[in-house]
Amino acid sequence: DTAVSQTPKYLVTQMGNDKSIKCEQNLGHDTMYWYKQDSKKFLKIMFSYNNKELIINETVPNRFSPKSPDKAHLNLHINSLELGDSAVYFCASSARTSGDTQYFGPGTRLTVL
Amino acid sequence: AQSVTQPDIHITVSEGASLELRCNYSYGATPYLFWYVQSPGQGLQLLLKYFSGDTLVQGIKGFEAEFKRSQSSFNLRKPSVHWSDAAEYFCAVGSSSGNTGKLIFGQGTTLQVKP
Repeated sequence: DTAVSQTPKYLVTQMGNDKSIKCEQNLGHDTMYWYKQDSKKFLKIMFSYNNKELIINETVPNRFSPKSPDKAHLNLHINSLELGDSAVYFCASSARTSGDTQYFGPGTRLTVL
Repeated sequence: AQSVTQPDIHITVSEGASLELRCNYSYGATPYLFWYVQSPGQGLQLLLKYFSGDTLVQGIKGFEAEFKRSQSSFNLRKPSVHWSDAAEYFCAVGSSSGNTGKLIFGQGTTLQVKP
């Protein structure tokens, strides 16, 4: 069974479009995260949610809006896509927020044309 | 502010040779430290972590890392590298205070293994 899954794996779209990436974890964890990995492979946290409550918002443009319908899901919606949004987006989850191991999904490669 | 530096962007070793990947961190208190590995086109997999206690930690796939507070380092080692170890390796630091779970990652080290 996949612990942290993301859909889609690849996403190619035009500038100005709106798109969503879905994430689900079946580990029973309370905390979920979104990370962005740029073309130089640098990983940076974007958001984290604990029990559906937003606890980290790392100066991400408000075109990015996370939504957590329940503890097992954290979706990322992106409005008005820009070329600079092209990256690999990783979802992760952990049992708690303080220093616990984070389990990562396989990533979603977003390409904005 | 917390930060992580991996001084080596790219390392090439021969199969069977020993390996050491460097990681230096900046953090005011005792940090939580992690090493993750990313194979091409894959997500990140935890190799090992340090929270407290014994400063030499053992991980999966024969890896180990040593926490040295005096040097602010958490270097990853393996005595004999296998071709399947070729991947991207990330060191990360997490806060031991507060309640955010935020991880700060280093820039990554690409490991190439020569036959």
